[in-house]
Amino acid sequence: QSALTQPGSVSGSPGQSITISCTGTSGDVGSYNHVSWYQQHPDKAPKVMIYDVSIRPSGVSNRFSGSKSGNTASLTISGLQAEDEADYYCISYTNRYTYVFGTGTKVTVL
Amino acid sequence: QVQLVQSGAEVKTPGASVKISCKASGYSFSNYHIHWVRQAPGQGLEWMGIIKTRGIKTIYAQQFQGRITMTWDTSASTVYMELSSLRSDDTAVYTCAREAPDTYFFDYWGQGTLVTVSS
Repeated sequence: QSALTQPGSVSGSPGQSITISCTGTSGDVGSYNHVSWYQQHPDKAPKVMIYDVSIRPSGVSNRFSGSKSGNTASLTISGLQAEDEADYYCISYTNRYTYVFGTGTKVTVL
Repeated sequence: QVQLVQSGAEVKTPGASVKISCKASGYSFSNYHIHWVRQAPGQGLEWMGIIKTRGIKTIYAQQFQGRITMTWDTSASTVYMELSSLRSDDTAVYTCAREAPDTYFFDYWGQGTLVTVSS
């Protein structure tokens, strides 16, 4: 199972919005709404930001939102803040009852 | 509070096996799945497999089939992950993560265990 494709890096200025894409196949992202997104700061455990494509867990800022179209899921961060600078990973359930992570995106706040 | 506490760092030689523990507390251990994820130095996250509640089923990522085993010890509230035939590219931080059944995401993570494979 190949990793889902994410851009290597995305940057934006404070207050701006950025979007991170996560492209898979009809065997994973395209067939299931079980896509979640994780934020990882250096040397820290990942933290779930979005699950089931667009659901935000309690405690996660409403600046984070998710969507999906076809084989591509997206995470949007609006009103970018310095604390959002981190690595972001998507992960999808697959038709083999397994999961596959995305390649990861480094978000830089300029 | 929910905690997943893992065993300490390991150094192994190529060809050896490593067994990492993930001890759960603060919740009903038997009612949640446990996943294992690894991250090589400077690399991304890689899903390794899942052991479902009470160890009733395990599903492994294809790339680990044949050399990974996950086990469940209800009495110790602990899940174990054993990886055999270690190679240098298995050097990574291995982390357990909890999933409430049928939610398909990980809400709590362990602190990670560094496994170094070197001759």
